[in-house]
Amino acid sequence: DSGVTQTPKHLITATGQRVTLRCSPRSGDLSVYWYQQSLDQGLQFLIQYYNGEERAKGNILERFSAQQFPDLHSELNLSSLELGDSALYFCASSTLPDPLEQYFGPGTRLTVT
Amino acid sequence: DAKTTQPNSMESNEEEPVHLPCNHSTISGTDYIHWYRQLPSQGPEYVIHGLTSNVNNRMASLAIAEDRKSSTLILHRATLRDAAVYYCIRSRNSGNTPLVFGKGTRLSVIA
Repeated sequence: DSGVTQTPKHLITATGQRVTLRCSPRSGDLSVYWYQQSLDQGLQFLIQYYNGEERAKGNILERFSAQQFPDLHSELNLSSLELGDSALYFCASSTLPDPLEQYFGPGTRLTVT
Repeated sequence: DAKTTQPNSMESNEEEPVHLPCNHSTISGTDYIHWYRQLPSQGPEYVIHGLTSNVNNRMASLAIAEDRKSSTLILHRATLRDAAVYYCIRSRNSGNTPLVFGKGTRLSVIA
């Protein structure tokens, strides 16, 4: 158990819908990262927050957005969902802004039908 | 672009040592080497990281070549639970450089 929690574990929704994925980092960790893992693209970095501020951005679509709240939990919002957004979404956390040691949650499996 | 090269797959016998190689020939002086692994149906798991010197922890050892163009993750006694995809990643020591995962090496452990 990494100490990172993600909810929900599974999510099934239809195209065009909007969903919110939630992540609670390890106690004391200020940095949160979001990744997408699909069969054809592998594990892709989406976005990083550190202590509430966006710190780095990867291949995140404009239909996706994220935020980190004062209690340090983070939410990833996915809108206008397409079939291709079906994937595993992982959240990771680290103590420092530098990703030397990241601890990953169990992931949320999103299926868009 | 993960900028590291790993074999697609490797096989090991249980209770034997495993040496997982990684090539990072274009590494620069401030780049760290990280290893993560992903067990089936789980999120990636931090294994070890290093800069120049060899590193040991409870999970594994990391041997970094003197010219830093390659490194080897060493599992001292493979168990069935070590069957996973192992990712070798290089990153710059800056807050704005996220980890870039490649395809990794799929390790199979045979009982």
